[in-house]
Amino acid sequence: AQSVTQLGSHVSVSEGALVLLRCNYSSSVPPYLFWYVQYPNQGLQLLLKYTSAATLVKGINGFEAEFKKSETSFHLTKPSAHMSDAAEYFCAVSKTGGYQKVTFGTGTKLQVIP
Amino acid sequence: EPEVTQTPSHQVTQMGQEVILRCVPISNHLYFYWYRQILGQKVEFLVSFYNNEISEKSEIFDDQFSVERPDGSNFTLKIRSTKLEDSAMYFCASSDRENDFGPGTRLTVT
Repeated sequence: AQSVTQLGSHVSVSEGALVLLRCNYSSSVPPYLFWYVQYPNQGLQLLLKYTSAATLVKGINGFEAEFKKSETSFHLTKPSAHMSDAAEYFCAVSKTGGYQKVTFGTGTKLQVIP
Repeated sequence: EPEVTQTPSHQVTQMGQEVILRCVPISNHLYFYWYRQILGQKVEFLVSFYNNEISEKSEIFDDQFSVERPDGSNFTLKIRSTKLEDSAMYFCASSDRENDFGPGTRLTVT
C-alpha cells in the first residue's frame, strides 16, 4: 500500500518568506509523487510531479520539490510567498507507469500574512 | 488545453434519493476515476474504470454506488439512495498518464 504524510495541517508564512510544506511517502514500489493545490471552493490543480526522472522538479507558480529517496520525502518549496499562494496543498502518491489511482495526504493549508 | 468537465457544479438532494453525477473526460483518455472529498478532509479514491469495466474500487464504493460510460463522451457516478454522509465534493479524473481532475460536483444531502 502507498501513503503520504503531510506534516502540519496549517502553515503560516509572511509575504516574501520561504514556503516549505513537508511530505513524506511510504511505498513498497518506486512511486510517482505529486503536489496539488486547491483554492477555496475550486478543484485540484496539479502543481508539479515526480515521475522518476530528475529528482528536483519545478512546477507552476514558482514552486519546486525535491525527491529524496533516502529520506522518503518530497517537500514543496517556494523562495518567496505571495498572497495568491494562500490555498490548501495536497501531496499525493501513485504507482509508476501511469494510469494509476492517486492516494492523497491530508493536506496543508497555507496562510500568507501580509 | 483540454479539460475534464463535470455537471452539475452543485447538487442538493434529499436523503434516500438517487443522484447521477456527470463527467466528460478528456477525449483521448482511456482511464477514468471518481474521487470524493468530504468537507475538511482529504481526497479519497472511489473507483477506476477502463475498457468499460471497473478496474479497481475502494471499500467506500459499496453497492449503492455505480459507474457507467453510457456513450462515447460521458462518465457517470450514480448513488442509488443517498445518505447524509454522502455529502461531499466528488471529483472526476481522466488519465493519459497522470490524473487530470475536473472541477468537482458539490453534493449536499439534506
